Amino acid sequence: QQQVKQSPQSLIVQKGGISIINCAYENTAFDYFPWYQQFPGKGPALLIAIRPDVSEKKEGRFTISFNKSAKQFSLHIMDSQPGDSATYFCAARKVQGAQKLVFGQGTRLTINP
Amino acid sequence: DVKVTQSSRYLVKRTGEKVFLECVQDMDHENMFWYRQDPGLGLRLIYFSYDVKMKEKGDIPEGYSVSREKKERFSLILESASTNQTSMYLCASSITGPNYEQYFGPGTRLTVT
Repeated sequence: QQQVKQSPQSLIVQKGGISIINCAYENTAFDYFPWYQQFPGKGPALLIAIRPDVSEKKEGRFTISFNKSAKQFSLHIMDSQPGDSATYFCAARKVQGAQKLVFGQGTRLTINP
Repeated sequence: DVKVTQSSRYLVKRTGEKVFLECVQDMDHENMFWYRQDPGLGLRLIYFSYDVKMKEKGDIPEGYSVSREKKERFSLILESASTNQTSMYLCASSITGPNYEQYFGPGTRLTVT
C-alpha cells in the first residue's frame, strides 16, 4: 500500500511533442504528490506538485493531472524541448511520519531534436 | 539558495570496510534524509532524521546506520560494506510544515569491490 508505480521506464519524444508520464498509488492516505526532475550528475529537484483537492495544476509547459477516484496522476510536458531530457520521478507523501516521500521508479525522458 | 553538499562525488571501497558518507545543509532544515538510487527502483529511503540525535528507519535500513550530532550534518554509515551496497546515495533536507519540498545534494556514487 506504500508503493507508487511509475510508467514508462523510458520515453523518447520528438521536439515539440507532448511527453506523458503516469503514476499510480494505492494508499488513499497520501495527500501530496510532487514531481522531481533529475539531470545527469545532479540531485533531483522539485518540478511541480499537487494536492488531491484539485484535478489539475499547470506551471508553464508542465501540467499535473490528478484523478483521485482512479488513484492516478500524470505529468504532461507540452512542446517538449531537448533541455527537458532528464529523469523524472513522481512521489507521494505518507501522512504517517509526514515528512517522508515515497518515490516512483523513475522515467528517463529523451527529447530528440 | 538552499545548498546540500555531500562529502564525495565518487567513492571506491573494499568489501568489509567501514564507510562514512557525509551530508551538510546550510538552511537550518529540521529534516534530513538518506536515499539510495538504483536503476528501475527509483529512490528508496534508508533513514531520516527530524531533529538532532533523532532518527527513524526508512524502507531499507538493513546494513546502514546514521548519525546526526549537529543540525546541519547527517552521516550515513556502512558498518561493513558489501557489493550489494554499490549504488548512488542521495542526501536531502527539508523544513517541517506545509511546504514539503526536499532539497537534494548531488549524490555520491559508491562502488564496493
